Formats: sequence, structure tokens, C-alpha cells
Amino acid sequence: EAQVTQNPRYLITVTGKKLTVTCSQNMNHEYMSWYRQDPGLGLRQIYYSMNVEVTDKGDVPEGYKVSRKEKRNFPLILESPSPNQTSLYFCASSLTSGSGYEQYFGPGTRLTVT
Amino acid sequence: GQNIDQPTEMTATEGAIVQINCTYQTSGFNGLFWYQQHAGEAPTFLSYNVLDGLEEKGRFSSFLSRSKGYSYLLLKELQMKDSASYLCAVRPFDDKIIFGKGTRLHILP
Repeated sequence: EAQVTQNPRYLITVTGKKLTVTCSQNMNHEYMSWYRQDPGLGLRQIYYSMNVEVTDKGDVPEGYKVSRKEKRNFPLILESPSPNQTSLYFCASSLTSGSGYEQYFGPGTRLTVT
Repeated sequence: GQNIDQPTEMTATEGAIVQINCTYQTSGFNGLFWYQQHAGEAPTFLSYNVLDGLEEKGRFSSFLSRSKGYSYLLLKELQMKDSASYLCAVRPFDDKIIFGKGTRLHILP
């Protein structure tokens, strides 16, 4: 089944404790992206990647890191999480970065930082 | 700056027609997407417009006017399962994607 998977689905952690949210797609997509979704603010892009070893900042990259060593995986790293990073996170992928290609979203990761 | 505006909430009746508007001001334009998102779930793709005009897909249609920076999503023969948030998203000239804050649609029986 074609899908985007994220792990973990739920995570409660403490300020400053490094964490990684994994994202994997099995559709051989080139373009992958991370978003956070907050009430009243909508979906905001954190980082995106057009292909292996190519990443770029979205609108809210501060406090996050990403890597794209393999085509299928695009982990999101929070080196020192803070309470303002409490949010719902979505990973998404699309065939290419070209216009017209819809994004497929993972199920989401609900992160709470205390 | 980049900005996408859509109404926060709308209410409509089962079986009726509803139009959700989206206006955008972005540094460039390389396509507009509509996504549906049910509460607690991931967004799913509904439509894509890059040229002016109407794209029809079953009960859903999407319209674009690039000169006006305007799009709408038209939902016909509304069903209870259409209760969801509808997200307008624009791809400017670069490869970023900017989403509006979404319109929460309530369907009344």
C-alpha cells in the first residue's frame, strides 16, 4: 500500500531532551516536506527536500533540523525542544517538486514538550 | 509577504451547495491546491488549478482567477461526511508551499 508513515504518533517529552520524528514513504517520491499545524495558524512548512541531500528552509525552520540521506526517509530532529514546539506535525511527499503534483500526508505526530 | 485568506468557518445544509473562497497575495504563482482535512486526520488532496477557469471533479469543483488572486472550491449535493476543514494552498515560484488557515465547514441535517 502506498503510504507515508511517521513515528512516533504521540510523544510527550521535556524541555531540552533531543528527539527525532521519523518519516518514510514507499512511493519513490522525490519531494518531501515537514509541516506543523497549530490552532488558528494552520499548516506551516518547516523544511522541505527536493531530492536526496537537497534540503531547504520553509517558513518556520527555527529549532528544527532535517536530513535526507535516502530517498524514502526524511527525519525531523529537535535538538533542544522547547514548549513552543508543542504541536501536531505532518510529513508529506509528492512525486516531484513540479507544479500539479499533490502531496500525500502521513498520519501526524502529536508532540507535547513540558 | 505571502498571505492566503479564507473564511474561518461556514455552515451549510445537507443536500445544498456551498462555495469556499480563497484569496492570495504571494511573491509568485505556480499553482493552487485544495485539501480536505477531517478532524484528527491528515489532509487529503482535492484539486489543483494552475490556469484560469473551472476544474470539475464529481461533486467538487475548483475555480481560479490568477489576475484577481482568487480561487473558490464549490461543493455540491452536500453530505454529512463533507463536514471537515478545507485548506487552500499556493506554490509560489520556489518550491515552498503556503497554506491558508483553513475553513471549517459544518453540515446541518
